[in-house]
Amino acid sequence: SQKIEQNSEALNIQEGKTATLTCNYTNYSPAYLQWYRQDPGRGPVFLLLIRENEKEKRKERLKVTFDTTLKQSLFHITASQPADSATYLCALSGNTPLVFGKGTRLSVIA
Amino acid sequence: EAQVTQNPRYLITVTGKKLTVTCSQNMNHEYMSWYRQDPGLGLRQIYYSMNVEVTDKGDVPEGYKVSRKEKRNFPLILESPSPNQTSLYFCASSLSWTSSYEQYFGPGTRLTVT
Repeated sequence: SQKIEQNSEALNIQEGKTATLTCNYTNYSPAYLQWYRQDPGRGPVFLLLIRENEKEKRKERLKVTFDTTLKQSLFHITASQPADSATYLCALSGNTPLVFGKGTRLSVIA
Repeated sequence: EAQVTQNPRYLITVTGKKLTVTCSQNMNHEYMSWYRQDPGLGLRQIYYSMNVEVTDKGDVPEGYKVSRKEKRNFPLILESPSPNQTSLYFCASSLSWTSSYEQYFGPGTRLTVT
């Protein structure tokens, strides 16, 4: 069956360090993969989209990689700040509408 | 301002009393979708619509109905709510259903069924 797994429910990191979040999938062949940020009680907000033929995408302090052989995407936040604390969701689709992982709750500690 | 709006934002109701949660988008998006979010279960899709008059079941459609009579509106109907439908609900829209387009989410509706 199709599955999307995000490495851990929660990740704590010291301010200034690089946070790395993992998204693994099985039985999908996505052409695109997306990452969203969600703050408590609010709707997810789109951050980045990466295509299958792109190895890496950057936006300010954010970097996403997409390895279709490993069936994995990594999401990095460099120089993390307490304001980066949130839940991060990956999302992808095959021949069906977008499906979301359960998310990883990131806490950046000052 | 491009946005997805939902109403009401908060609702407490009793078992069996029919309710409707409205969703509207002003971006002329073809695709709209409803999700529920519960602790430990993530976002689960209830229903989606690829265009006007085209709707389909998501992963957890039981107990819900939808309609898409106009492009901008996609109401979620609970004919006979039960306590297990207590949840945080999100409406979302996108230019198209494929993952090449980002989804825009509404602010959420927190529903409590007693």
